[in-house]
Amino acid sequence: GIQVEQSPPDLILQEGANSTLRCNFSDSVNNLQWFHQNPWGQLINLFYIPSGTKQNGRLSATTVATERYSLLYISSSQTTDSGVYFCAVGLYNNNDMRFGAGTRLTVKP
Amino acid sequence: EAQVTQNPRYLITVTGKKLTVTCSQNMNHEYMSWYRQDPGLGLRQIYYSMNVEVTDKGDVPEGYKVSRKEKRNFPLILESPSPNQTSLYFCASSLQGAWYFGPGTRLTVT
Repeated sequence: GIQVEQSPPDLILQEGANSTLRCNFSDSVNNLQWFHQNPWGQLINLFYIPSGTKQNGRLSATTVATERYSLLYISSSQTTDSGVYFCAVGLYNNNDMRFGAGTRLTVKP
Repeated sequence: EAQVTQNPRYLITVTGKKLTVTCSQNMNHEYMSWYRQDPGLGLRQIYYSMNVEVTDKGDVPEGYKVSRKEKRNFPLILESPSPNQTSLYFCASSLQGAWYFGPGTRLTVT
């Protein structure tokens, strides 16, 4: 199956700092998503981004499918950005959605 | 509002007492799936369904059953729960694209 590696595993930032989270995957994929798991355990959809670049407010993501990686950028981080960020990849024709281990982000005031 | 709902959100039960966690989506999605999340093990797929009456095992199906009699519903059944099934469970749905997750069900089996 597809292997998904996320880095760094843990990240501590001061409020206002910028950060880049990385997701590497081992095979070609049709589906790639970034999720934020908040302290209450809910998985929030951030981006559906199998290729290209998208932006939503302070967050943006880029996937380079040919090189098998995706990046999530968080600018001007806020304490509410704390939580675990997951990358998930898959092939929509076989329903095999694989999650990375996540990056735990802590933003300090 | 497009959403995936799960019930109950929290459940504490005892070993051996059958339980069902319901999952429903209102987006007419064909694909639905159940995951469990455990510390240090991440999210692992239990079962998935590609359409009505079509289900298949994921990575960790032992101790679980599912059914897909209607497109919108995909219940997860634990016939005889055991303490190692204590976990956070997520239902998800998709239509050949982005996956949408329910709010999660935190299950404790004592």
